[in-house]
This record gives sequence, C-alpha cells and structure tokens, in this order.
Amino acid sequence: GQQVMQIPQYQHVQEGEDFTTYCNSSTTLSNIQWYKQRPGGHPVFLIQLVKSGEVKKQKRLTFQFGEAKKNSSLHITATQTTDVGTYFCAGRPNFGNEKLTFGTGTRLTIIP
Amino acid sequence: GAVVSQHPSRVICKSGTSVKIECRSLDFQATTMFWYRQFPKQSLMLMATSNEGSKATYEQGVEKDKFLINHASLTLSTLTVTSAHPEDSSFYICSARARGPQHFGDGTRLSIL
Repeated sequence: GQQVMQIPQYQHVQEGEDFTTYCNSSTTLSNIQWYKQRPGGHPVFLIQLVKSGEVKKQKRLTFQFGEAKKNSSLHITATQTTDVGTYFCAGRPNFGNEKLTFGTGTRLTIIP
Repeated sequence: GAVVSQHPSRVICKSGTSVKIECRSLDFQATTMFWYRQFPKQSLMLMATSNEGSKATYEQGVEKDKFLINHASLTLSTLTVTSAHPEDSSFYICSARARGPQHFGDGTRLSIL
C-alpha cells in the first residue's frame, strides 16, 4: 500500500533558526496537504498543493510540491515558539479517491 | 472557517464498556466523514470512511464489528467502540469533508482501565 514518510522524525532548533521537514510518498500523488498538530490538540489544515513543482508561501512558511508529485517540503524561516508542534503531510493517491495517507510526522521543538 | 465538533473529548471507563463518540459538522454538510486513531507520538491512522446513508468502508485490519460507524445524516457520524479493552485506549479523531480539505474535530481521548 501507499506509504508516506517524513524526515526528520524530531527536530530541535533554537528560536530564530530555520526548520525544514521533508515528505516522501511511495506513489505519485494527486495532491498533498500539510497539517499542524499542537501537543494535545488535533490536526489543523495548513495548505494544499496540487500542481507539479508548485510553491506556496504563508508568511514564514514555504511549501513545495516536487516535480514528480511524490515529494514535498515545508520550510519555516526564523522559527518562533508558536511554531512548536508536529507537522504532518498527507497525500491523496489519485483523483476520485478521498482517502488521505498521513505521513509519519516531524515533531518540532523550539529552544527559547 | 469550517467547524467540526467531536464529543466527548475524554472518556475513562472500565474494560468491557461500549463507548460512543459523536462527530458533527456544524456549519457545512459533510459528504464524507473519516475516523482516525492516533497512538502516542504516532501518526494518524485511518480506520474507516463513511458516507451518509451507506455502510462505512473499513481499512484493512480494522474490525467492523468492534468499531461500529453510523453516518445518519450529512452532519452527524458516530463511532461506537464495542466492549472496549485497554488496547483500545487511544486518541480517536474524526474529520469531515464537503469539497476541499478535511476539517478535524478536537478528538476523543479514550482510556480503558
């Protein structure tokens, strides 16, 4: 079945440093979504990428979808303590299939 | 934005008890609802997909007689964990979708003693 892996599993950064998490799917995706889950909370939708090579920005967050539509990345510039949480990518294998396969997640902790 | 309400938020009960969890989409009609389970420090694992008025589609390895799903209307789906045992203790999260992304409920933390 489809597998979605993320690296790294954990990342500890000093406040103000940059952070990147990488997402790799075993199969080609129709689109990919990113979610943030705070400790003890539920996943919150951040963004969806659909097009090959697409890049989207949300303030300090930059999301990329690979040309082959099998990988994606999330980059946070100048991290803040509010960025703490686990970041999940979630891929949809093909159009018409509503199932999302969640990645393994990257847990970000910030050292003030 | 879209709001999904999940109730209860936390349940602690004895082994053998059946537990019902409700998931409601408050400001939109959800064509599809999803039920996930998340163990500590792990990712979300899809348990089943439910569409209003039809039987839920369960993922491989998920017992449909153990986890009963009823999708009675376009705004309500329920998950009943029947005869729960300690190994069923987990964080259960629903999500609902009309068009576009899934919107998640706050989750239910289930602890079976």
